[in-house]
Amino acid sequence: DSGVTQTPKHLITATGQRVTLRCSPRSGDLSVYWYQQSLDQGLQFLIQYYNGEERAKGNILERFSAQQFPDLHSELNLSSLELGDSALYFCASSVAASGRSREQYFGPGTRLTVT
Amino acid sequence: AQSVTQLGSHVSVSEGALVLLRCNYSSSVPPYLFWYVQYPNQGLQLLLKYTSAATLVKGINGFEAEFKKSETSFHLTKPSAHMSDAAEYFCAAQTGANNLFFGTGTRLTVIP
Repeated sequence: DSGVTQTPKHLITATGQRVTLRCSPRSGDLSVYWYQQSLDQGLQFLIQYYNGEERAKGNILERFSAQQFPDLHSELNLSSLELGDSALYFCASSVAASGRSREQYFGPGTRLTVT
Repeated sequence: AQSVTQLGSHVSVSEGALVLLRCNYSSSVPPYLFWYVQYPNQGLQLLLKYTSAATLVKGINGFEAEFKKSETSFHLTKPSAHMSDAAEYFCAAQTGANNLFFGTGTRLTVIP
């Protein structure tokens, strides 16, 4: 158990809908990262937040957005869903935005299926 | 841009045999390097990390990896495979930005 929690574990929804994925980082970790794992794209970085502020952006679609709240939990919002958005979405956390403690600890993931 | 290449999307070894999973990175500046393991229907678990302190890094479950700058490699090894090692293994690199660049993964099968 990494200490990172994600809800829900599974999500099935229809095209065009909007969903929210939730992540709680390990106790003490200030940085949260979102990754997408799909068969065709592999594991891709989406976005990073550090202590409530957006720190880095990767291959995140404009239909997707995220935020980190004062209690440090984070939410990833996916809208106007398409079949191709079906994937495993992972949240990871780390102590710092940069510096020596760079390892990231991953949650169990949310499996999104768009039908 | 940073990239990570894992040679061999599938590797099969007999139980008790040496495990060797290959990873090469491309970067003019040696990055931080990591190996993660993913068991079916689970998240990624950190096996080990290289952060420039020592070139031979020992991780959990008997795995180790050696950083070779001249070869831009960070191959993962385990002297004796166990059935419980069957999983997907990901090599990842991290440079100035904090996000991880992942390789495409290697699925390890252990044959009894």
